[in-house]
Amino acid sequence: AQSVTQLDSQVPVFEEAPVELRCNYSSSVSVYLFWYVQYPNQGLQLLLKYLSGSTLVESINGFEAEFNKSQTSFHLRKPSVHISDTAEYFCAVTSNTGNQFYFGTGTSLTVIP
Amino acid sequence: ETGVTQSPTHLIKTRGQQVTLRCSSQSGHNTVSWYQQALGQGPQFIFQYYREEENGRGNFPPRFSGLQFPNYSSELNVNALELDDSALYLCASSTGGVGEIEGYTFGSGTRLTVV
Repeated sequence: AQSVTQLDSQVPVFEEAPVELRCNYSSSVSVYLFWYVQYPNQGLQLLLKYLSGSTLVESINGFEAEFNKSQTSFHLRKPSVHISDTAEYFCAVTSNTGNQFYFGTGTSLTVIP
Repeated sequence: ETGVTQSPTHLIKTRGQQVTLRCSSQSGHNTVSWYQQALGQGPQFIFQYYREEENGRGNFPPRFSGLQFPNYSSELNVNALELDDSALYLCASSTGGVGEIEGYTFGSGTRLTVV
């Protein structure tokens, strides 16, 4: 089985400042990693994913995450946040032998004007 | 427009009652999973269906059951509702089959409140 730890439950940051949302995972097999974003009263939207290949993956709205196998991490970063980035962010892990995603408890990102 | 539609959006039930939640996926999405998201928590896997057969189950009791239909719709049924069943229930679908890894498309969820 796998598990995910999101170390920060709440992250306040000023607009246009950089942000990092931390995610660590535990697994005994090869993993696939995802970041999902959830806006109030909505479902989850896929932000980016690591399946294989380059360890640095990017989203269309400026977020990026780097898969670090030695540190079992998949931290999410953005160099300059906008008010519209205010949301709940979930890190998730699965494997090629599994059929379920294991989600972290989420990080609430609040962008302050 | 996410392509995955859930109904109803909100529901209030009394403890002990039964409830059916519905999900309509995109054409070609042969895999559907259901998740329970309690307030302030991440989603927890309930079960998955692939081509109308159950393909894995999380740590939920048998009173949680499901069905998947040939028209890419599915249901989550919960019997003998308990107060702790109050949560957001998310349906997620993908084109990926067994062993294939794809990012799921999630619906907006059904908010179930048990009183």
